[in-house]
Amino acid sequence: RKEVEQDPGPFNVPEGATVAFNCTYSNSASQSFFWYRQDCRKEPKLLMSVYSSGNEDGRFTAQLNRASQYISLLIRDSKLSDSATYLCVVNLIHNNAGNMLTFGGGTRLMVKP
Amino acid sequence: GAGVSQSPSNKVTEKGKDVELRCDPISGHTALYWYRQSLGQGLEFLIYFQGNSAPDKSGLPSDRFSAERTGGSVSTLTIQRTQQEDSAVYLCASSVVPGTSGLNEQFFGPGTRLTVL
Repeated sequence: RKEVEQDPGPFNVPEGATVAFNCTYSNSASQSFFWYRQDCRKEPKLLMSVYSSGNEDGRFTAQLNRASQYISLLIRDSKLSDSATYLCVVNLIHNNAGNMLTFGGGTRLMVKP
Repeated sequence: GAGVSQSPSNKVTEKGKDVELRCDPISGHTALYWYRQSLGQGLEFLIYFQGNSAPDKSGLPSDRFSAERTGGSVSTLTIQRTQQEDSAVYLCASSVVPGTSGLNEQFFGPGTRLTVL
């Protein structure tokens, strides 16, 4: 079983749609959670951190359920520019690897006009 | 300011040759990470440096892979006797501190696309 699992998609949605991605992680000792965005043939960039109480950044809402080891990302009013791969990322503070991030395989989103 | 830089951006090599990939982290970032991303796959952690030392080398796929970091700055990832399965994008990231805080963002370089023929 992968440490961080995501539906690879692709999710094809029209502009203006609301779309949600889910992610599960296997290590209950995981301490921090993130969503990164990766455009085609580009490096990943931090989209937002995920807090236990849930957090919102404009059109993006992230939620965490520690009991179920489940993370979600909701995008409202999707734009063409939201087309990218969204990576669920889990941070396990590892004695030897510091701020070690474990990446899911990513969920590809394609927003159509 | 300058971000993480990597060179070369693309490298095509023949099977069996050695390659050296370079990463120049953001100035002042003490932690440096190497990842590998195969086509259509997620990122695979390879190695982490805190300063010049690499406490965790367990992610390196084989003994053909090695990495070093000198002066707490530039890092090189060396792959000896390359194989076709080594073909991937090799990404480097750096962060301010290795992290008792889990919220230190890792900043990624643009990657080196390695193709082994």
